[in-house]
Amino acid sequence: DAKTTQPPSMDCAEGRAANLPCNHSTISGNEYVYWYRQIHSQGPQYIIHGLKNNETNEMASLIITEDRKSSTLILPHATLRDTAVYYCIVRGAFSSGSARQLTFGSGTQLTVLP
Amino acid sequence: EPEVTQTPSHQVTQMGQEVILRCVPISNHLYFYWYRQILGQKVEFLVSFYNNEISEKSEIFDDQFSVERPDGSNFTLKIRSTKLEDSAMYFCASRGAGNTIYFGEGSWLTVV
Repeated sequence: DAKTTQPPSMDCAEGRAANLPCNHSTISGNEYVYWYRQIHSQGPQYIIHGLKNNETNEMASLIITEDRKSSTLILPHATLRDTAVYYCIVRGAFSSGSARQLTFGSGTQLTVLP
Repeated sequence: EPEVTQTPSHQVTQMGQEVILRCVPISNHLYFYWYRQILGQKVEFLVSFYNNEISEKSEIFDDQFSVERPDGSNFTLKIRSTKLEDSAMYFCASRGAGNTIYFGEGSWLTVV
């Protein structure tokens, strides 16, 4: 699985958009970009994932560059409850019969300020 | 929304004692995982399980650890003889046919 690089920490004002970057320059064509977050002492929470196209769900948007070497997770209107460590993870598709796992890095500590 | 549930939420045990952590994965999921997180450190993979057998395990998952799916709903992690360094948050996770792994809220194990 490709290595990812994220800034160790970021701040964001409450109500503003939080844009969390991730570099994955060695990503291969069949690898997905996943985003999880971990609110203090809780289990990792799935946010979104994508392959090539930008994705949006009720939690966030994922913007993947055309060359797929980087991506940005966007929380459109950050709240205090969005304060968490955000993990960008790159891995291949889960195939049937394969229980391959996710590898977590250090992530980005996002602090939403009032 | 379906979720992975774990029990107990917190357990304190004496060094050398056996501990069993329990998990109820999301119904109809087929792939199961245990991870752990020592305080202040990264989330680390322990083991994955599919079709009633271990699919993959990390170096952490030594002979002191075992997993079992005793019935159609539970997935357990057993630590035979706990050590101080086993103190950590243990997360269970599961995946269905899709590409998303879902995690439980964790069981905090303190070995004294």
